[in-house]
Amino acid sequence: QQKVQQSPESLIVPEGAMTSLNCTFSDSASQYFAWYRQHSGKAPKALMSIFSNGEKEEGRFTIHLNKASLHFSLHIRDSQPSDSALYLCAVNSAGNKLTFGIGTRVLVRP
Amino acid sequence: EAAVTQSPRNKVTVTGGNVTLSCRQTNSHNYMYWYRQDTGHGLRLIHYSYGAGNLQIGDVPDGYKATRTTQEDFFLLLELASPSQTSLYFCASSDVWGGGEQYFGPGTRLTVL
Repeated sequence: QQKVQQSPESLIVPEGAMTSLNCTFSDSASQYFAWYRQHSGKAPKALMSIFSNGEKEEGRFTIHLNKASLHFSLHIRDSQPSDSALYLCAVNSAGNKLTFGIGTRVLVRP
Repeated sequence: EAAVTQSPRNKVTVTGGNVTLSCRQTNSHNYMYWYRQDTGHGLRLIHYSYGAGNLQIGDVPDGYKATRTTQEDFFLLLELASPSQTSLYFCASSDVWGGGEQYFGPGTRLTVL
């Protein structure tokens, strides 16, 4: 069964700094990798996704995927207080289900 | 943007009680999902469906039934609720199975006393 782990568990960053989040997975056949963001008391919402090795950038957000090392990451440039949230990584697995990590709680301090 | 609604938003019941959580999506998505979210466990898939009349078992199905009556409506049933089912429940929908964006409803907070 797919195992998805996130690190760190929580993070405090100053406004304007880079936020870096990590996700490891266990199924090397996985093909879809995504990050979701969940503000306090709200529903998770998809942020970015990637299908192939490499890097994808959208505005202040960048995903890196390295399938060989079973690892992908999310980097947030110029972090803002509005980026404070729970970040969930998600990976597809056998049966094409999505398996979510437990999450990294990010606090951006003004 | 995909619209997924859930009702009720909050529910309190007693051990052994019957509870039905409702979910409706209005974007003609084929796939619908029920998750529970608990501290220390993240989002876990309970049941999911490919379409009306279809039901698939997720990763944590024990104690839950589900029914997909139409393309829009997906219900989660707890027939003998237990305190271990106290949780935040999310419904989601997508138009691509597994490898595409899932759109989540606002959640239902269920407390079983």
